[in-house]
Amino acid sequence: VQLVESGGGFIQPGGSLRLSCAASGFSFNNYAMSWVRQAPGKGLEWVSAISASGGDTYFADSVKGRFTISKDNFKKMLYLQMNSLRADDTAVYYCAKINRATTVSWGVFDYWGQGTLVTVSS
Amino acid sequence: QAVLTQPPSASGTPGQRVDVSCSGSGSNIGSNAANWYQQVPGTAPKLLMYDNNQRPSGVPDRFSGSKSGTSASLAISGLQSEDEADYYCATWDDSLNGWVFGGGTKLTVL
Repeated sequence: VQLVESGGGFIQPGGSLRLSCAASGFSFNNYAMSWVRQAPGKGLEWVSAISASGGDTYFADSVKGRFTISKDNFKKMLYLQMNSLRADDTAVYYCAKINRATTVSWGVFDYWGQGTLVTVSS
Repeated sequence: QAVLTQPPSASGTPGQRVDVSCSGSGSNIGSNAANWYQQVPGTAPKLLMYDNNQRPSGVPDRFSGSKSGTSASLAISGLQSEDEADYYCATWDDSLNGWVFGGGTKLTVL
C-alpha cells in the first residue's frame, strides 16, 4: 500500500487549494478513504472521509461547508478541495486508507501517506 | 481541545511497563471501539491497536489494549528505546458523526 499526497503549499487567507492523494497497492475502489491533519506541534485532527463508492461523505464541523472530498476510482485518486482557507487550517494533511468500504464508523485508518503541508498566512 | 483526554506525557526506563490512558464519553469510547496510533516524530502515524485490543500484523505483543466503559488504555511492556513516540487514541463519535482523537501522549524512554 502506498499513499502519496500532493498539492500543499503557501496560500493566503480566503484562498483555495486542492490536495491530491495517489493510491497504489490495493483495490482502491473497495475502500473508504479519509483526510487527517496535524497543525504544527499539535495533535491529530480528523478532517473528512468518503465511502468506497464516493456516495457518502463526512466532515468535521471545523471544515463543514468549506471543504469537499472526492474520489476517482478509475484514477485511484483521492482529493480534498479546500475553500475559504483560514490561518487555523495550517497543518500537514495526511491521506489515510480506511479498512472498510462502507459503515466507516466501524473502520480504522490502517495506512497513512507521508503528508503534505498547507500553510495559510498573509 | 481534544474530545478524548490523554495524559500529555509518560515515561519509563527500558524493560519497564507503561500505561497510557484515554478517557471519553458515552457517545465515543462508550459506544465504539478504541484504536491507537503511534507517531514517531517527523513521520506519519501508524496504526498500533484496533478494536480495543487487536494488534495489526507486525506490531509486537509487548503492546496491548483494553477498554472499560468510557475509557481505554494502551499498555507497553518491556519498554524499548524505539518505543519513544507520540501515542494517540481515537474512535468514532456518534454525536459528532465523525472520528475524534485524543490530544496525544508523548512517551519518553529514560
